[in-house]
Formats: sequence, C-alpha cells, structure tokens
Amino acid sequence: TQLLEQSPQFLSIQEGENLTVYCNSSSVFSSLQWYRQEPGEGPVLLVTVVTGGEVKKLKRLTFQFGDARKDSSLHITAAQPGDTGLYLCAGAGTGGFKTIFGAGTRLFVKA
Amino acid sequence: GAVVSQHPSWVICKSGTSVKIECRSLDFQATTMFWYRQFPKQSLMLMATSNEGSKATYEQGVEKDKFLINHASLTLSTLTVTSAHPEDSSFYICSARDHSTGRTYEQYFGPGTRLTVT
Repeated sequence: TQLLEQSPQFLSIQEGENLTVYCNSSSVFSSLQWYRQEPGEGPVLLVTVVTGGEVKKLKRLTFQFGDARKDSSLHITAAQPGDTGLYLCAGAGTGGFKTIFGAGTRLFVKA
Repeated sequence: GAVVSQHPSWVICKSGTSVKIECRSLDFQATTMFWYRQFPKQSLMLMATSNEGSKATYEQGVEKDKFLINHASLTLSTLTVTSAHPEDSSFYICSARDHSTGRTYEQYFGPGTRLTVT
C-alpha cells in the first residue's frame, strides 16, 4: 500500500517567517500534486511536479520533487496571513490510477 | 478552465431521510469523478470512484448501499446518502479529472457540501 507521510501536521508562525512542508514516501510516484484548502472549501491545485529533481516556483512558494520521485517539499518564503490553510500533497502511483493524499499540514500565519 | 461545482453547498436533514449531492464538471467532460469525505481538521478520505456509464468502485469500508453513486453523464455524478444518520454528518467533496489535458493525474475539486444530520 502506498503511503504519503506529510510533516509537520501543524505549523503556527509569524508573518514574514519561512517554512518548509515535507511529503515523503517509500514508493515512487509518477507525479505529485500540492493543494491548498481553506475552511469550508474544496482543495485548489497549486502545482504538479512530474520529473525527478524538478523545482517549480509559484511567487513565494517553491516546490521540489525528489530525484527518486519518492518525496517532495513545499517552501514558503516570507509567509503572509493569506497563506493560512491546509496544505495537502497527493501522489499518483506509477501505473496506478488512484491518487494518494497525505494527512495534510495545517498552517497558521499570525500577523 | 477545469471548474467543478457541487450542489448543495450545505444541507441539513433529519435522521432517516436521504440526501442527494450533485457534482458537475462545468467546462470539461469527466469520465471519472471521485467522492471524498473529510472530517474536521483531517485530510481527504476517498469513498469511491465514479465512472461514467458503469458502476462506481467503492473503497474498503464504504457501504455501497448507503452511499449510492450515479454517473449518468460525462458532466454529472451524484452521491445519495440513504437513510442518513448523525454519524454521516461530514464535509463531502467531489473531484474530477480532465482527460483532454493529458494530465490525468491532476484532480479538480468541487467546493464541497456540508451535510448535517439531526
């Protein structure tokens, strides 16, 4: 069974600080997505990474896919209160159809 | 593009009644849709995969007779919670894949439906 372990589960930081969220697995994924979800809403796709070692940037967010395609990280620079939310990583297995979700990281950025 | 809607956004029903939730892909055709359940402050739990024109595939532990799924068209899937009980109260979210993009690993989520059973 493929599992995605996400850490930390909860993070409370001050505005302006940097943070990194990790998503790890012992399995290889053909692609990995990062989503952000606000309370009472559905998750919104932030980025998809498909190539080992790939790095993508979305304004202050930097996403990296591990060389072996077993792990990924999300780094936020100079966090803002608007970044508050639940961040979910999700992986599509090689040859598989089902998407596996991590447990999520709940981020709270204090002004 | 790739917009998914859900209706209703919230519903309150009495114990023992049935509730239908609709999931629509607004600007693309979705041969496959997914239904998730989310408890407060937790991640998504996949309930079933809805396939257009065929029976849904349910995850282990999900009662198919209680959570009826119908995917009658390429843009609509419905989830009916039958004989609802308070423990069925939850946030239900659907998602869909847009196969026309070639990025079939990406899912687009609806805004969710909050169900409260009294």
